[in-house]
Amino acid sequence: DIQMTQSPSSLSASVGDRVTITCRASQSIRSYLNWYQQKPGKAPKLLIYAASSLQSGVPSRFTGSGSGTDFTLTISSLQPEDFATYSCQQSFSSPRTFGQGTKLEIK
Amino acid sequence: QVQLVQSGAEVKKPGASVRVSCKTSGYTFTSHYMNWVRQAPGQGLEWMGIINPGGGDTNYAQKFQGRVTMTRDLSTNTVYLELSSLRSEDTAVYYCARDRGYYTDYGDFDYWGQGTLVTVSS
Repeated sequence: DIQMTQSPSSLSASVGDRVTITCRASQSIRSYLNWYQQKPGKAPKLLIYAASSLQSGVPSRFTGSGSGTDFTLTISSLQPEDFATYSCQQSFSSPRTFGQGTKLEIK
Repeated sequence: QVQLVQSGAEVKKPGASVRVSCKTSGYTFTSHYMNWVRQAPGQGLEWMGIINPGGGDTNYAQKFQGRVTMTRDLSTNTVYLELSSLRSEDTAVYYCARDRGYYTDYGDFDYWGQGTLVTVSS
């Protein structure tokens, strides 16, 4: 199975900050990398698919980049509604696997 | 609009089985594969498997092979997850998650059910 490792596990930031979350795969997954946002008690929401494609309806302040084994999710200017947990997920092979999540908290 | 509505919370004893349903609406049921993903309390997301509602074919994560069954009902546009031989480690919120691909498996999930809490306790 492909292991997905995110860093950091948690992050404190302020409204208006630019933040970057990193995801590393245990082997090359080309661009088969997706990002989700999850708020407490809610289902995950797809933000980015195929490493850099923005899902319909997702604000443009979210951007994804990377290929191979190293990927990043960047939020250009944090808004109050962005404080949540972010998870990466590979869709290169089965079983699909997720990172452990990065909790983004208000400073 | 696309909706995935799951059945309610369940409490089960160790060794029992549970069946969770996911009723879909707002799109052609057979056009999108459906995944099941679970999340134990305070933990990350774990993919369990996928079903093609059109043909009924399935692909399960090795971890759950022998204990999991995914089925679908074309008359009600509903998919089901059954997990048997439950143990305390199966306590989790179970989600159905629609694959974004159109008649194919892209492996990313664009619509999710609201989640079903399954508690396994003696």
